[in-house]
Amino acid sequence: GQNIDQPTEMTATEGAIVQINCTYQTSGFNGLFWYQQHAGEAPTFLSYNVLDGLEEKGRFSSFLSRSKGYSYLLLKELQMKDSASYLCAVEDSNYQLIWGAGTKLIIKP
Amino acid sequence: GAVVSQHPSRVICKSGTSVKIECRSLDFQATTMFWYRQFPKKSLMLMATSNEGSKATYEQGVEKDKFLINHASLTLSTLTVTSAHPEDSSFYICSATTDRGGQPQHFGDGTRLSIL
Repeated sequence: GQNIDQPTEMTATEGAIVQINCTYQTSGFNGLFWYQQHAGEAPTFLSYNVLDGLEEKGRFSSFLSRSKGYSYLLLKELQMKDSASYLCAVEDSNYQLIWGAGTKLIIKP
Repeated sequence: GAVVSQHPSRVICKSGTSVKIECRSLDFQATTMFWYRQFPKKSLMLMATSNEGSKATYEQGVEKDKFLINHASLTLSTLTVTSAHPEDSSFYICSATTDRGGQPQHFGDGTRLSIL
């Protein structure tokens, strides 16, 4: 079956760095997406990885290892507004997006 | 760019009413649109995938006659919840993409449906 695993909840301190991991087992692979979703709102696109390595976008970076079926989202200089759920999603060989359950990130002052 | 507009943002209506939700891509042509349902503190649940001009593909367990999807143009898809009941109360979100394969889905703001 197809499976995406990510931690249910994480807590970090304002100004710190946090890494949210995602492991996947899917039928084929056409890329991995990270989305941010604030409570009561729709998801917003953060990043896309299809090749191994690190993609950096300001305070957010995303890493992919296809051989390990593993990705992480790295958030630096955490701000209170970063409190949200972070969703990992993999596009399989049928271009179907398989969603993880999301990681709720709580930022404390 | 890549703005998706979804209306209405909130609906409260009586049991038995049919509710139509619109999803529009404002600045791009969406070859594929998706409809999701999300329960509190749960992840997105894909209901159906629709391509312009063809019938929607529904996920297993989603009633086609209950959730009618129309994708009449490259910029508009609608979801109609027919004869809604309290158990249909949920957060419904649409998304659109320009192509399958490496393109992100861009989401509307969602519709919170409450059936009394």
